Amino acid sequence: EPEVTQTPSHQVTQMGQEVILRCVPISNHLYFYWYRQILGQKVEFLVSFYNNEISEKSEIFDDQFSVERPDGSNFTLKIRSTKLEDSAMYFCASTETSAADTQYFGPGTRLTVL
Amino acid sequence: AQSVTQLGSHVSVSEGALVLLRCNYSSSVPPYLFWYVQYPNQGLQLLLKYTSAATLVKGINGFEAEFKKSETSFHLTKPSAHMSDAAEYFCAVKTGTASKLTFGTGTRLQVTL
Repeated sequence: EPEVTQTPSHQVTQMGQEVILRCVPISNHLYFYWYRQILGQKVEFLVSFYNNEISEKSEIFDDQFSVERPDGSNFTLKIRSTKLEDSAMYFCASTETSAADTQYFGPGTRLTVL
Repeated sequence: AQSVTQLGSHVSVSEGALVLLRCNYSSSVPPYLFWYVQYPNQGLQLLLKYTSAATLVKGINGFEAEFKKSETSFHLTKPSAHMSDAAEYFCAVKTGTASKLTFGTGTRLQVTL
């Protein structure tokens, strides 16, 4: 069964450093998403991406964040200058269409900012 | 705006007992509703979804949920709990005008012997 994959599974970084989280969505999917889950809290939407551009973003997704689909398979989330409060589990998801279709989630990357 | 409220952050049931996890939604347009399960240190796995077809939706692992428009609810049930059902359960809503999922705060299900 096709699945969304994410690397690395755990990333530790120093405050102020740049990090790139990587995702490989399911191959025939067209819509891609990033969510985050701070420890003990609910899953929060960050950004959605379609046709090589951001289709929607949340208030959390400020200028420190960016997304990119550098090739036909990867989807990345970059945090330019990490803060302590960026420590969270980051989930990538993809879906064939944006309507009723299910969003399939990856296993997540746990980001720890020291 | 869309939102989801999950009543009860922790639910404990005995093995073999009924599982009932509550979810109420708010949406100005007909919603799509989802239940996801998260096992420890894992990602989110879809249990079931409502997409305006049948109001009673059956999912994996014996779970089902009923969409009740009059009550704006989408409660998750399972007739008989199993130890392997212990996990965090998230209700989520999506509307046709927005592709993002809005999640509830989650309910941690504990199953005891």
